[in-house]
Amino acid sequence: SAVISQKPSRDICQRGTSLTIQCQVDSQVTMMFWYRQQPGQSLTLIATANQGSEATYESGFVIDKFPISRPNLTFSTLTVSNMSPEDSSIYLCSVGTGGSNYGYTFGSGTRLTVV
Amino acid sequence: GIQVEQSPPDLILQEGANSTLRCNFSDSVNNLQWFHQNPWGQLINLFYIPSGTKQNGRLSATTVATERYSLLYISSSQTTDSGVYFCAVSNAGKSTFGDGTTLTVKP
Repeated sequence: SAVISQKPSRDICQRGTSLTIQCQVDSQVTMMFWYRQQPGQSLTLIATANQGSEATYESGFVIDKFPISRPNLTFSTLTVSNMSPEDSSIYLCSVGTGGSNYGYTFGSGTRLTVV
Repeated sequence: GIQVEQSPPDLILQEGANSTLRCNFSDSVNNLQWFHQNPWGQLINLFYIPSGTKQNGRLSATTVATERYSLLYISSSQTTDSGVYFCAVSNAGKSTFGDGTTLTVKP
């Protein structure tokens, strides 16, 4: 199954600044997914990133706040812009593992604290 | 969209006890997974089980797709089993997660 390297693993940021999170996959994948997990909550899909096209955002998430890049089939970034304390969450990327027997795998997550 | 309900929301066990976690979903799916989230936030894939039964050590899972539910069994629980267990279902890519079951195993 695919292996994802996500970084940074954690960061503490000042409000009003931006943070870019990177995900590198060890194989080519068509779709990559970005999720947010607010404290004590479940995971919510932010957007789906396809190579060569703009990301598709879920309701409640906008490109200006969460711009996504997908320059090739193994890499994607998510930027959290103009951060506020409400953005403090764990952010995770995900890809399909390929084939029909493995489902989806997730990066190790980025734990973001905004102060 | 698909609704996913997990029960119970919280579960406290003594070490050595057995438990059953349930996941109900509102529509047919082509993917169902069980995850364990560790204290560092990492999601550990336990089972990919859109249908049927699988076992891995003390853990096993059963999905009855026609009745739209899945069960995760934990036998002889250990303190290291503590954490949040999520069920996630998907069609055509994106996954929908349940709210999770928080399991606490006491020594």
